[in-house]
Amino acid sequence: GAVVSQHPSRVICKSGTSVKIECRSLDFQATTMFWYRQFPKQSLMLMATSNEGSKATYEQGVEKDKFLINHASLTLSTLTVTSAHPEDSSFYICSASGTPLDTQYFGPGTRLTVL
Amino acid sequence: AQSVTQPDIHITVSEGASLELRCNYSYGATPYLFWYVQSPGQGLQLLLKYFSGDTLVQGIKGFEAEFKRSQSSFNLRKPSVHWSDAAEYFCAVGERNQGGKLIFGQGTELSVKP
Repeated sequence: GAVVSQHPSRVICKSGTSVKIECRSLDFQATTMFWYRQFPKQSLMLMATSNEGSKATYEQGVEKDKFLINHASLTLSTLTVTSAHPEDSSFYICSASGTPLDTQYFGPGTRLTVL
Repeated sequence: AQSVTQPDIHITVSEGASLELRCNYSYGATPYLFWYVQSPGQGLQLLLKYFSGDTLVQGIKGFEAEFKRSQSSFNLRKPSVHWSDAAEYFCAVGERNQGGKLIFGQGTELSVKP
């Protein structure tokens, strides 16, 4: 149990385009989902926390207009990187939990490359 | 401010040898503590967690960790390492009053030599 999927696993796009990444909890209802960014050989940096049906809470320094997060259902959250630039290239990982204080289960990650 | 420190960036052990990965945290209250493992290009897999109760926690793949409040530590151990254990290991503390946000340590890369 507690499986989280992400789609796509890998995406390459041109600078200036927008990219949407989906995060799904497959066998449980996720009231809370988290989005992280990870640079090579580094730890995870929390970008935002989203609760189903509410606006996402962004961490300091994360541009909310650039990284649009939607958590429209208890099993799906999306991260849209708008007007992507090469510096947005990174590994994006989502996690989901059944309650805000429950264990977070992580997706396999999405490798974004912006040319 | 809350923080997690993993003092060892990289550790190499021989297959069959014992392993201990260190984790120290700074947190005002009783923390939620986690160990996750990440294989290259993959997401994180939960190894074990501590919320309360018995301070020695058993996890998957033969791992265990001990919560020591006096030392603010939550070290991960395994008595006999297998080559498949080579990966990146992350310790994390969960913030109870921040909606469960996790603060991660910098990670320890484990290499296993035959």
